[in-house]
Amino acid sequence: SAVISQKPSRDICQRGTSLTIQCQVDSQVTMMFWYRQQPGQSLTLIATANQGSEATYESGFVIDKFPISRPNLTFSTLTVSNMSPEDSSIYLCSAMSPTYEQYFGPGTRLTVT
Amino acid sequence: EDQVTQSPEALRLQEGESSSLNCSYTVSGLRGLFWYRQDPGKGPEFLFTLYSAGEEKEKERLKATLTKKESFLHITAPKPEDSATYLCAVQAGGSNYKLTFGKGTLLTVNP
Repeated sequence: SAVISQKPSRDICQRGTSLTIQCQVDSQVTMMFWYRQQPGQSLTLIATANQGSEATYESGFVIDKFPISRPNLTFSTLTVSNMSPEDSSIYLCSAMSPTYEQYFGPGTRLTVT
Repeated sequence: EDQVTQSPEALRLQEGESSSLNCSYTVSGLRGLFWYRQDPGKGPEFLFTLYSAGEEKEKERLKATLTKKESFLHITAPKPEDSATYLCAVQAGGSNYKLTFGKGTLLTVNP
């Protein structure tokens, strides 16, 4: 299994600002993903982070709002841009093993005031 | 569209009182069904993957089973440390490896 770390673990941000979340995996993985977990809701996939190319976004999520980078096979970032209180959530990074399990990081708890 | 429904939303047990959690799903071509455990303030922890109907997997006091429409997570003689939210997710076949999650079952085991 992969060990995944995220930074920051939590942050409180003001409306209109942006926050970049970092995700580091302890081994090379082919697939990395970013999910959002809102209170009382299911984990929802934001996008698949593709190494060396543009991320693949799910319906309802756009690159201007959630730009993603993946410069190599162990690292990815998610930026939450022009934040509003509705963006308050837990953001989770995951990595997929060769047998399709996804292992998750500890999450970043974001509060927008 | 893939859908996952978990029941009950919350379950309170006494230590040693066995029970089951349910995960009903609809998916176009199941690649795998996944169970996770999530503790407060932490990311989901992988428990099991089930790939085909009839498959069963066990880990300590937990056993997961799969049919063509649902999965059960059986908890035998639970302990307070089993208290957590249990999440079910499905992954459809094809090139999109997204997981579609249910909302989870919050399990509380009282001593």
